[in-house]
Amino acid sequence: DIQMTQSPSSLSASVGDRVTITCRASQSINTYLNWYQQRPGKAPKLLIYGASSLQSGVPSRFSGAGSRTDFTLTINRLQPEDIATYYCQQSYISWTFGQGTKVEIK
Amino acid sequence: EVQLVESGGGLVQPGGSLRLSCAASGFTFSSFWMFWVRQSPGKGLVWVSHISHDGSGTTYADSVQGRFTVSRDNAKNTLSLQMNSLRPEDTAVYYCVRGGHSYAYDFWGQGTLVTVSS
Repeated sequence: DIQMTQSPSSLSASVGDRVTITCRASQSINTYLNWYQQRPGKAPKLLIYGASSLQSGVPSRFSGAGSRTDFTLTINRLQPEDIATYYCQQSYISWTFGQGTKVEIK
Repeated sequence: EVQLVESGGGLVQPGGSLRLSCAASGFTFSSFWMFWVRQSPGKGLVWVSHISHDGSGTTYADSVQGRFTVSRDNAKNTLSLQMNSLRPEDTAVYYCVRGGHSYAYDFWGQGTLVTVSS
Protein backbone atom coordinates (compact mmCIF):
# COMPACT_ATOMS: atom_id res chain seq x y z
CA ASP A 1 0.00 0.00 0.00
CA ILE A 2 1.13 3.56 -0.70
CA GLN A 3 1.42 5.66 2.44
CA MET A 4 0.97 9.43 2.39
CA THR A 5 2.61 11.62 5.01
CA GLN A 6 1.70 15.27 5.44
CA SER A 7 3.55 17.94 7.38
CA PRO A 8 2.97 19.80 9.50
CA SER A 9 -0.05 18.28 11.26
CA SER A 10 -1.20 21.77 12.14
CA LEU A 11 -0.12 25.34 11.64
CA SER A 12 -1.11 28.82 12.66
CA ALA A 13 -0.57 31.77 10.33
CA SER A 14 -1.71 35.35 9.92
CA VAL A 15 -4.11 36.66 7.31
CA GLY A 16 -2.08 37.54 4.24
CA ASP A 17 0.70 35.02 4.92
CA ARG A 18 1.93 32.42 2.48
CA VAL A 19 1.34 28.90 3.79
CA THR A 20 2.95 25.74 2.48
CA ILE A 21 1.90 22.17 3.29
CA THR A 22 3.99 19.22 2.19
CA CYS A 23 2.97 15.69 1.31
CA ARG A 24 5.30 12.75 0.75
CA ALA A 25 4.39 9.43 -0.84
CA SER A 26 6.03 6.16 0.20
CA GLN A 27 6.75 5.39 -3.47
CA SER A 28 6.57 7.26 -6.76
CA ILE A 29 3.05 8.27 -7.76
CA ASN A 30 3.99 10.29 -10.84
CA THR A 31 1.66 13.31 -10.54
CA TYR A 32 -1.41 11.43 -9.29
CA LEU A 33 -1.66 13.70 -6.28
CA ASN A 34 -4.75 15.63 -5.26
CA TRP A 35 -5.49 18.18 -2.54
CA TYR A 36 -8.75 18.69 -0.65
CA GLN A 37 -10.02 21.33 1.75
CA GLN A 38 -12.43 20.39 4.51
CA ARG A 39 -13.95 23.25 6.43
CA PRO A 40 -15.35 22.45 9.89
CA GLY A 41 -18.59 20.48 9.68
CA LYS A 42 -18.53 20.35 5.89
CA ALA A 43 -17.77 17.82 3.19
CA PRO A 44 -14.33 17.94 1.59
CA LYS A 45 -13.80 19.97 -1.56
CA LEU A 46 -11.32 19.30 -4.35
CA LEU A 47 -8.73 22.06 -4.75
CA ILE A 48 -5.95 20.61 -6.91
CA TYR A 49 -5.77 17.49 -9.08
CA GLY A 50 -2.87 15.99 -10.97
CA ALA A 51 -0.44 17.68 -8.56
CA SER A 52 -0.81 21.16 -10.07
CA SER A 53 -4.13 21.60 -11.89
CA LEU A 54 -6.54 24.00 -10.22
CA GLN A 55 -10.09 22.67 -9.92
CA SER A 56 -12.71 24.91 -11.53
CA GLY A 57 -13.96 27.63 -9.20
CA VAL A 58 -11.05 27.40 -6.76
CA PRO A 59 -9.32 30.72 -6.03
CA SER A 60 -5.98 31.22 -7.75
CA ARG A 61 -4.21 31.79 -4.41
CA PHE A 62 -4.14 28.00 -4.13
CA SER A 63 -1.41 26.21 -6.06
CA GLY A 64 0.16 22.78 -6.12
CA ALA A 65 3.54 21.47 -7.21
CA GLY A 66 5.66 18.35 -7.20
CA SER A 67 6.06 14.94 -8.78
CA ARG A 68 7.06 11.38 -7.93
CA THR A 69 7.17 11.40 -4.11
CA ASP A 70 7.27 15.02 -2.94
CA PHE A 71 4.46 17.53 -3.27
CA THR A 72 3.40 20.90 -1.89
CA LEU A 73 0.19 22.88 -1.53
CA THR A 74 0.71 26.62 -1.24
CA ILE A 75 -1.85 29.17 -0.13
CA ASN A 76 -0.80 32.66 -1.10
CA ARG A 77 -2.26 35.51 0.98
CA LEU A 78 -4.12 33.37 3.53
CA GLN A 79 -7.75 34.41 4.03
CA PRO A 80 -10.05 33.83 7.04
CA GLU A 81 -12.20 31.47 4.95
CA ASP A 82 -9.15 29.23 4.42
CA ILE A 83 -9.46 27.93 7.99
CA ALA A 84 -9.81 24.21 7.33
CA THR A 85 -8.10 20.87 7.33
CA TYR A 86 -6.24 20.06 4.13
CA TYR A 87 -5.69 16.54 2.87
CA CYS A 88 -3.47 15.18 0.16
CA GLN A 89 -4.50 12.01 -1.67
CA GLN A 90 -2.75 9.69 -4.09
CA SER A 91 -4.79 8.21 -6.92
CA TYR A 92 -1.98 6.27 -8.63
CA ILE A 93 -2.66 2.88 -7.07
CA SER A 94 -6.01 2.70 -5.34
CA TRP A 95 -6.61 5.80 -3.23
CA THR A 96 -4.92 6.88 -0.01
CA PHE A 97 -5.22 10.11 1.96
CA GLY A 98 -2.68 11.85 4.11
CA GLN A 99 -3.54 12.37 7.77
CA GLY A 100 -4.46 16.03 7.25
CA THR A 101 -3.07 19.46 8.11
CA LYS A 102 -5.19 21.78 10.21
CA VAL A 103 -4.75 25.45 9.31
CA GLU A 104 -5.69 28.08 11.86
CA ILE A 105 -5.51 31.85 11.88
CA LYS A 106 -3.06 33.40 14.30
CA GLU B 1 -25.57 21.68 -10.86
CA VAL B 2 -24.03 18.43 -9.67
CA GLN B 3 -25.79 17.05 -6.61
CA LEU B 4 -25.11 13.93 -4.58
CA VAL B 5 -27.52 13.20 -1.76
CA GLU B 6 -26.86 10.30 0.61
CA SER B 7 -29.47 8.57 2.73
CA GLY B 8 -29.84 5.45 4.82
CA GLY B 9 -27.53 6.17 7.73
CA GLY B 10 -28.50 5.56 11.32
CA LEU B 11 -27.86 3.56 14.47
CA VAL B 12 -27.29 -0.18 14.08
CA GLN B 13 -26.11 -2.87 16.47
CA PRO B 14 -22.80 -4.67 15.95
CA GLY B 15 -23.26 -7.50 13.48
CA GLY B 16 -26.18 -5.75 11.83
CA SER B 17 -26.69 -4.48 8.31
CA LEU B 18 -27.44 -1.17 6.68
CA ARG B 19 -27.88 -0.01 3.10
CA LEU B 20 -26.76 3.45 2.05
CA SER B 21 -28.04 5.15 -1.06
CA CYS B 22 -26.84 8.14 -3.05
CA ALA B 23 -29.09 10.00 -5.47
CA ALA B 24 -27.14 11.73 -8.21
CA SER B 25 -28.30 14.58 -10.41
CA GLY B 26 -26.96 17.35 -12.61
CA PHE B 27 -24.61 15.17 -14.65
CA THR B 28 -24.53 12.04 -16.81
CA PHE B 29 -24.26 9.53 -13.98
CA SER B 30 -23.49 6.57 -16.25
CA SER B 31 -20.28 8.22 -17.48
CA PHE B 32 -18.49 8.50 -14.14
CA TRP B 33 -16.75 6.25 -11.66
CA MET B 34 -18.26 6.63 -8.20
CA PHE B 35 -16.80 6.16 -4.74
CA TRP B 36 -17.66 5.81 -1.07
CA VAL B 37 -15.36 7.54 1.42
CA ARG B 38 -15.78 7.54 5.19
CA GLN B 39 -14.61 9.67 8.07
CA SER B 40 -14.75 8.46 11.65
CA PRO B 41 -15.53 11.13 14.27
CA GLY B 42 -12.57 13.48 14.61
CA LYS B 43 -10.47 11.44 12.20
CA GLY B 44 -9.25 11.64 8.62
CA LEU B 45 -10.66 10.52 5.29
CA VAL B 46 -10.58 6.89 4.21
CA TRP B 47 -11.48 5.46 0.82
CA VAL B 48 -14.00 2.61 1.19
CA SER B 49 -15.02 1.47 -2.28
CA HIS B 50 -15.13 2.34 -5.96
CA ILE B 51 -17.34 1.26 -8.83
CA SER B 52 -16.68 1.82 -12.53
CA HIS B 53 -19.05 3.78 -14.73
CA ASP B 54 -20.95 0.71 -15.90
CA GLY B 55 -20.65 -1.31 -12.71
CA SER B 56 -18.35 -3.90 -14.23
CA GLY B 57 -15.48 -3.13 -11.89
CA THR B 58 -15.47 -2.70 -8.12
CA THR B 59 -12.75 -2.45 -5.48
CA TYR B 60 -12.81 -2.29 -1.71
CA ALA B 61 -10.57 -1.27 1.15
CA ASP B 62 -9.18 -4.27 3.03
CA SER B 63 -11.10 -3.21 6.14
CA VAL B 64 -14.49 -3.74 4.43
CA GLN B 65 -13.67 -6.42 1.84
CA GLY B 66 -16.17 -9.26 2.08
CA ARG B 67 -18.61 -7.27 4.23
CA PHE B 68 -19.56 -4.31 2.02
CA THR B 69 -20.93 -4.39 -1.52
CA VAL B 70 -21.15 -1.40 -3.82
CA SER B 71 -23.62 -1.23 -6.69
CA ARG B 72 -25.23 1.27 -9.02
CA ASP B 73 -28.40 1.68 -11.05
CA ASN B 74 -27.60 3.90 -14.00
CA ALA B 75 -31.26 4.00 -15.04
CA LYS B 76 -32.17 5.52 -11.67
CA ASN B 77 -28.95 7.54 -11.16
CA THR B 78 -28.41 5.83 -7.85
CA LEU B 79 -25.33 4.51 -6.05
CA SER B 80 -25.67 2.07 -3.16
CA LEU B 81 -23.51 0.54 -0.44
CA GLN B 82 -24.73 -2.60 1.29
CA MET B 83 -22.97 -2.93 4.63
CA ASN B 84 -23.14 -6.27 6.48
CA SER B 85 -21.52 -7.59 9.65
CA LEU B 86 -21.06 -4.04 10.88
CA ARG B 87 -18.48 -3.34 13.58
CA PRO B 88 -18.09 -0.41 15.98
CA GLU B 89 -15.07 0.72 13.97
CA ASP B 90 -17.34 1.22 10.94
CA THR B 91 -18.89 4.18 12.77
CA ALA B 92 -18.35 7.16 10.47
CA VAL B 93 -19.83 9.72 8.14
CA TYR B 94 -20.08 8.07 4.73
CA TYR B 95 -19.67 10.27 1.67
CA CYS B 96 -20.81 9.54 -1.86
CA VAL B 97 -18.22 10.93 -4.26
CA ARG B 98 -17.82 11.37 -8.01
CA GLY B 99 -14.57 10.56 -9.77
CA GLY B 100 -12.97 13.17 -12.00
CA HIS B 101 -9.67 14.01 -13.69
CA SER B 102 -6.63 12.04 -12.56
CA TYR B 103 -9.01 9.82 -10.57
CA ALA B 104 -9.53 12.65 -8.10
CA TYR B 105 -12.82 13.10 -6.27
CA ASP B 106 -14.41 16.18 -7.79
CA PHE B 107 -17.85 16.29 -6.16
CA TRP B 108 -18.92 15.13 -2.71
CA GLY B 109 -22.27 14.59 -1.07
CA GLN B 110 -23.02 16.01 2.37
CA GLY B 111 -22.52 12.63 4.02
CA THR B 112 -24.67 10.31 6.10
CA LEU B 113 -23.76 9.19 9.62
CA VAL B 114 -23.58 5.50 10.46
CA THR B 115 -23.27 4.60 14.13
CA VAL B 116 -22.57 1.00 15.12
CA SER B 117 -23.22 0.54 18.80
CA SER B 118 -25.14 -1.64 21.21
